[in-house]
Amino acid sequence: QKEVEQNSGPLSVPEGAIASLNCTYSDRGSQSFFWYRQYSGKSPELIMFIYSNGDKEDGRFTAQLNKASQYVSLLIRDSQPSDSATYLCAVNIVSGTYKYIFGTGTRLKVLA
Amino acid sequence: DGGITQSPKYLFRKEGQNVTLSCEQNLNHDAMYWYRQDPGQGLRLIYYSQIVNDFQKGDIAEGYSVSREKKESFPLTVTSAQKNPTAFYLCASTGGRSSYNEQFFGPGTRLTVL
Repeated sequence: QKEVEQNSGPLSVPEGAIASLNCTYSDRGSQSFFWYRQYSGKSPELIMFIYSNGDKEDGRFTAQLNKASQYVSLLIRDSQPSDSATYLCAVNIVSGTYKYIFGTGTRLKVLA
Repeated sequence: DGGITQSPKYLFRKEGQNVTLSCEQNLNHDAMYWYRQDPGQGLRLIYYSQIVNDFQKGDIAEGYSVSREKKESFPLTVTSAQKNPTAFYLCASTGGRSSYNEQFFGPGTRLTVL
């Protein structure tokens, strides 16, 4: 069973701090990794994707991938109350089909 | 304005009824997906389709059916065989040929069984 694991939280951080969200996956054949933000009652919104080991930065967001450790993380710098949401980690398992496995999400609360 | 639309936004079903959820995309994406999300849960794959006239079961296909007669459309029918259909249903698509297969979501349909 291919799995993607996330801590459900809530993860509480003060405004302006760095929020660190973590995700582990079980399938070493996983190729691409995605972070989605989901506000309560809304659909997931793609924030970032990463496919190579190392860091990828986009504004206040940095995705980090370590394939050897099967670990992907999302850092949010200068956290804002508007960042309060559930963050979903997803993994693309190609293997001839375009299937995605989602974690259950980490709820982030940014305290003003 | 490209995107994925789902309708209706809210749907109420009586016991024993079949209902159909609509999903349309104008992104020219090849692959389309249906997920179910329950409160506090992640997304579970119901069905997916990589090309027209072809689709595969996901992890929780029992009680659901789909069709893919057009590239733009991937409707989901929730049948009376689905014993606990109350959930948030999300349709998604991906280009398949894009660099990293980013998956984009529609706004969702919230289904409630009365």
